[in-house]
Amino acid sequence: DTGVSQDPRHKITKRGQNVTFRCDPISEHNRLYWYRQTLGQGPEFLTYFQNEAQLEKSRLLSDRFSAERPKGSFSTLEIQRTEQGDSAMYLCASTRNTEAFFGQGTRLTVV
Amino acid sequence: AQKVTQAQTEISVVEKEDVTLDCVYETRDTTYYLFWYKQPPSGELVFLIRRNSFDEQNEISGRYSWNFQKSTSSFNFTITASQVVDSAVYFCALIWDNYGQNFVFGPGTRLSVLP
Repeated sequence: DTGVSQDPRHKITKRGQNVTFRCDPISEHNRLYWYRQTLGQGPEFLTYFQNEAQLEKSRLLSDRFSAERPKGSFSTLEIQRTEQGDSAMYLCASTRNTEAFFGQGTRLTVV
Repeated sequence: AQKVTQAQTEISVVEKEDVTLDCVYETRDTTYYLFWYKQPPSGELVFLIRRNSFDEQNEISGRYSWNFQKSTSSFNFTITASQVVDSAVYFCALIWDNYGQNFVFGPGTRLSVLP
């Protein structure tokens, strides 16, 4: 494994449905971040894990969003009752010290 | 508060021209790290460079060079002899310590290199 892997790459869902994204970080990286990027903007921080502990959450992460990182390996980001405003690219990054690498992202479209 | 400003929203140049992308940052911390990432149309963020706040030496990597000036809180990126493949959105980002704080990204500069 040479990079951060995200699945799926694209997701189209109907408003109100739940969606779940997965991120597999670089294996020796203990920190994992989720970011959201809307069209024409830079990525915005959502949440961060140090191993399995979720240490920080942005105010952007409403109650409909939940993230987990069981066993400190892969992470999932779930959005419940999706809204059209959730349409964005969801990026995952893993880091060791400040060396950070991003996955290719999951592009979510809520219709 | 931490903030990154990229005042240039879009830049268009003709191939082989040099182009400089500006980045100005704000932080009260004395230890911080600055980054540049490239985002091609495929969407992934490609790491280009990391610079810590104690190292003001400019860096050159092939056609890319970076000018870090703490006095003006700037970390500018120059592409020499631009190529069409350089067309992408470029993000400057800041992380203000080594203990897991998140990145703060600028809004990005869209560079179009025309043949």
